[in-house]
Amino acid sequence: GQNIDQPTEMTATEGAIVQINCTYQTSGFNGLFWYQQHAGEAPTFLSYNVLDGLEEKGRFSSFLSRSKGYSYLLLKELQMKDSASYLCAVDGGSQGNLIFGKGTKLSVKP
Amino acid sequence: GAVVSQHPSRVICKSGTSVKIECRSLDFQATTMFWYRQFPKQSLMLMATSNEGSKATYEQGVEKDKFLINHASLTLSTLTVTSAHPEDSSFYICSAAKGQVDGYTFGSGTRLTVV
Repeated sequence: GQNIDQPTEMTATEGAIVQINCTYQTSGFNGLFWYQQHAGEAPTFLSYNVLDGLEEKGRFSSFLSRSKGYSYLLLKELQMKDSASYLCAVDGGSQGNLIFGKGTKLSVKP
Repeated sequence: GAVVSQHPSRVICKSGTSVKIECRSLDFQATTMFWYRQFPKQSLMLMATSNEGSKATYEQGVEKDKFLINHASLTLSTLTVTSAHPEDSSFYICSAAKGQVDGYTFGSGTRLTVV
């Protein structure tokens, strides 16, 4: 079956670093995405990993280990506006659709 | 960049009526679009895959006669919720992929409330 796991909620302090983990078990794998979603809005693309390793983009970095079925999203220098849900999604469907995890709700406190 | 326009953003309808949601790729051609549904505090769940010029592929448990999908052109896919009921109230989002590296582009979503 298809399964993507990530923590339900996390809390961090403004200015700190937080790591959101994601493990996946899918029948296929064509890449892993991280999205940010504020309540009531559509997801916003953050990162894409298809090869093992770390991809850095400003305050956000994403890591992938295909052999372990594991990824994490690293957010540095947290800001209040980073409070949102972070969705891990795998392109593993036969039709090219994304399979989403349930999302991690991150709360950034002063 | 790739832009997907979704309309309407919010709609309130009476139980038993039908609602049509449009999803347009503005600056690229999308042979495939995806329709997702998101209930409160839950993740996005794929409803169906919309293919231009052919019938949509529905996920298990999604009624194809209730959620009609039409992908008449390379830039437009529509989702019609027929005979809507309060339990159909949800956030509906479409997406299309221009290119793998750019990620899937999502429409802005439609908040459907059935009263």
